[in-house]
Amino acid sequence: AQTVTQSQPEMSVQEAETVTLSCTYDTSESDYYLFWYKQPPSRQMILVIRQEAYKQQNATENRFSVNFQKAAKSFSLKISDSQLGDAAMYFCAPLNYGGATNKLIFGTGTLLAVQP
Amino acid sequence: DAGVTQSPTHLIKTRGQHVTLRCSPISGHKSVSWYQQVLGQGPQFIFQYYEKEERGRGNFPDRFSARQFPNYSSELNVNALLLGDSALYLCASSPDRATEAFFGQGTRLTVV
Repeated sequence: AQTVTQSQPEMSVQEAETVTLSCTYDTSESDYYLFWYKQPPSRQMILVIRQEAYKQQNATENRFSVNFQKAAKSFSLKISDSQLGDAAMYFCAPLNYGGATNKLIFGTGTLLAVQP
Repeated sequence: DAGVTQSPTHLIKTRGQHVTLRCSPISGHKSVSWYQQVLGQGPQFIFQYYEKEERGRGNFPDRFSARQFPNYSSELNVNALLLGDSALYLCASSPDRATEAFFGQGTRLTVV
């Protein structure tokens, strides 16, 4: 079974600074995607960034980038120039696409606070 | 374009009752998945439907059931509610079975 570990229950960053959220996962699948979602107090899960496992190049989306280490099964999220609106719970979630069922497996999340 | 819409947004039910939650996917999306998020935890997969067929089921009892309609909207039904069913229920739609999921705002179910 797939498992996801987010070892940082809470993180804090100063506005305009950079923060990195860590995630490790365990999967026997060879084909999968990896996602980071954020969940603000409004509770809607919002997609932050996506990485295809077959791609060696790390994904970047504006201030958000990932460090994907496939052999180590590590998928960290870096937020640059942090903004107050980045404060939220962040979830790492792999998605396998080779089987009949395609489900996201979520970690326990990291609560990010942004200090003004 | 409208995003994923869920109804109702909040619901209070009594133990033993039945509940139906509804989800309308993004236009053109054929896959709908349901997740349960208990307070303080990450979402847990309940069901995936694609082209009106069940494509996957998580580790939930038979009290949980779902279906997808010809217009790709979906219902999640829970029978014989328990206190432990209190959670945020999230619906997600995808254009295909294995692409990124777009979530609705969820239905907060409280069982008393």
